[in-house]
Amino acid sequence: SAVISQKPSRDICQRGTSLTIQCQVDSQVTMMFWYRQQPGQSLTLIATANQGSEATYESGFVIDKFPISRPNLTFSTLTVSNMSPEDSSIYLCSVGTGLNTGELFFGEGSRLTVL
Amino acid sequence: AQKITQTQPGMFVQEKEAVTLDCTYDTSDQSYGLFWYKQPSSGEMIFLIYQGSYDEQNATEGRYSLNFQKARKSANLVISASQLGDSAMYFCAMSPYSSASKIIFGSGTRLSIRP
Repeated sequence: SAVISQKPSRDICQRGTSLTIQCQVDSQVTMMFWYRQQPGQSLTLIATANQGSEATYESGFVIDKFPISRPNLTFSTLTVSNMSPEDSSIYLCSVGTGLNTGELFFGEGSRLTVL
Repeated sequence: AQKITQTQPGMFVQEKEAVTLDCTYDTSDQSYGLFWYKQPSSGEMIFLIYQGSYDEQNATEGRYSLNFQKARKSANLVISASQLGDSAMYFCAMSPYSSASKIIFGSGTRLSIRP
């Protein structure tokens, strides 16, 4: 298994500002993903964070809005840029073990509220 | 494209009874993995059980079992002898092996256990 720490755990932000969320894993992992969970909704994949190269974004998500860094195999950041109230969500970092089961481990999430 | 459908937005079950949470999926992949995750009110995502598309036997993990019917493309979760602590959101999810551990989630079912 993997232990994942996310910072901040929660924050209240002003419209138009940007916030960077950090994700630290206690071991080297190949697969790292960022998900968004809007209030009362399911999880939606934002992007796959690739070590040493640009992230791979899912449909509906763009790099200008959600820039992602992955400088090494244990750390990643997600920035939510130029925030609006619609960005109020829980943002979750997850890692895959690469094993056959493909199980994902999740951080505890970062709950953002945009005023 | 893959799709996960959970048709039960909410369920109420008496403590100690068994409960089945429905999940159907759609994919053109020949190889894939199916998962169930639990999300308590605290927000963390807890992995419950995994079923590979080529596994002939239904997966079991303690009180959790996955009723896998490949021809019908269903992967229902069965919880035996429900407990108060089982009250949570439950998400069915799928990973196409071709995309490693990238997982897509269904809309979820909120399970409430009555004492």
